[in-house]
Amino acid sequence: DVKVTQSSRYLVKRTGEKVFLECVQDMDHENMFWYRQDPGLGLRLIYFSYDVKMKEKGDIPEGYSVSREKKERFSLILESASTNQTSMYLCASKVYRVNSPLHFGNGTRLTVT
Amino acid sequence: KNQVEQSPQSLIILEGKNCTLQCNYTVSPFSNLRWYKQDTGRGPVSLTIMTFSENTKSNGRYTATLDADTKQSSLHITASQLSDSASYICVVSGVGTNAGKSTFGDGTTLTVKP
Repeated sequence: DVKVTQSSRYLVKRTGEKVFLECVQDMDHENMFWYRQDPGLGLRLIYFSYDVKMKEKGDIPEGYSVSREKKERFSLILESASTNQTSMYLCASKVYRVNSPLHFGNGTRLTVT
Repeated sequence: KNQVEQSPQSLIILEGKNCTLQCNYTVSPFSNLRWYKQDTGRGPVSLTIMTFSENTKSNGRYTATLDADTKQSSLHITASQLSDSASYICVVSGVGTNAGKSTFGDGTTLTVKP
């Protein structure tokens, strides 16, 4: 079974802090993604990566950046956390094949105070 | 603009009963539609995928249907169990779209009561 591990389940940070969310997958998947999930808004794509050191903006990249130095690891960075970034963050990975499913981690619930 | 609308927003049923969740989409050109189940506190897990040529597909007690002409899909759950309590998310991908850039519905929250 594919395992996607997010480093923290819950995180509380202060406004203005730099925040790192880490995600590791163990199935050698090429593609990795970061989403945020908010009530009534569904899942929204922040950034994704097709390969090591490659990244592309999703639908809501403002205020975020990403890093993919190794194939198995994809990090989401909040340069200066703000209260409107309080949310559930989900990482996912998939093989580079059209109909393959996304494999999600269990999420990090981030609260910015 | 690509959109996926799910109904109802929430649903409460008694254990053992059947239910049907709906998904309407405007994504074009269509490639595939996938249903995910998200348990509370967990990430979504894929239940089934429907491609253009498929009308019905079953996965145990879950049966998905697709009408590509009317751009509608449904997920039917038979003989519901308490463990079916979850959010069900419809995700539609267009041709040439990486699944990560697919369009997600807001989900239907299903509660199964004893």
